Amino acid sequence: DQQVKQNSPSLSVQEGRISILNCDYTNSMFDYFLWYKKYPAEGPTFLISISSIKDKNEDGRFTVFLNKSAKHLSLHIVPSQPGDSAVYFCAALKRGGTSYGKLTFGQGTILTVHP
Amino acid sequence: NAGVTQTPKFQVLKTGQSMTLQCAQDMNHNSMYWYRQDPGMGLRLIYYSASEGTTDKGEVPNGYNVSRLNKREFSLRLESAAPSQTSVYFCASSSWIASSGANVLTFGAGSRLTVL
Repeated sequence: DQQVKQNSPSLSVQEGRISILNCDYTNSMFDYFLWYKKYPAEGPTFLISISSIKDKNEDGRFTVFLNKSAKHLSLHIVPSQPGDSAVYFCAALKRGGTSYGKLTFGQGTILTVHP
Repeated sequence: NAGVTQTPKFQVLKTGQSMTLQCAQDMNHNSMYWYRQDPGMGLRLIYYSASEGTTDKGEVPNGYNVSRLNKREFSLRLESAAPSQTSVYFCASSSWIASSGANVLTFGAGSRLTVL
């Protein structure tokens, strides 16, 4: 059972436009959400996160929105740049106890930004 | 700034062979993890070590063993490799961020394993 889902395998946008990557989750116990970015032949790198007590977190061109009632989060990249072309993974975590950093990942979305 | 270092980067095995993937981190992190990435599946947790001296199963532990050799090193062993273990393996370590109450993982570059 896929508890974190990224239903769009790929997304193509023009440079300068907005990229919106979506993620849905089913486990209501998740209370912390992260986005990771992965280039070919490299490991995933942390991009941005959000706690379940917030509905928005912003870091430069990257903003993550969380809709708890819909169990949905999205990553907005504005403006998109060709260097943003990568695979983006959504991940979720239930903090506390013995959870440590045991992230549950989505399948990933390949973002291509065209010049 | 080495971060998390994995070896080897590539390996081809025959069914039934054994091998060990090595991982070392230089960030003084307590927790370490092994994930595998398969097409359409995202990353799935194989084993983790919350601290030196402890290891626990993740989502897909069958066919694997791990050793937390010391605080820096966490190895993953395939005793009898199977084609289903063809994958890209990522080691990670994490630090606890007090402001968020969460661990943020730092990943290695990955090890691509093919089992024929």
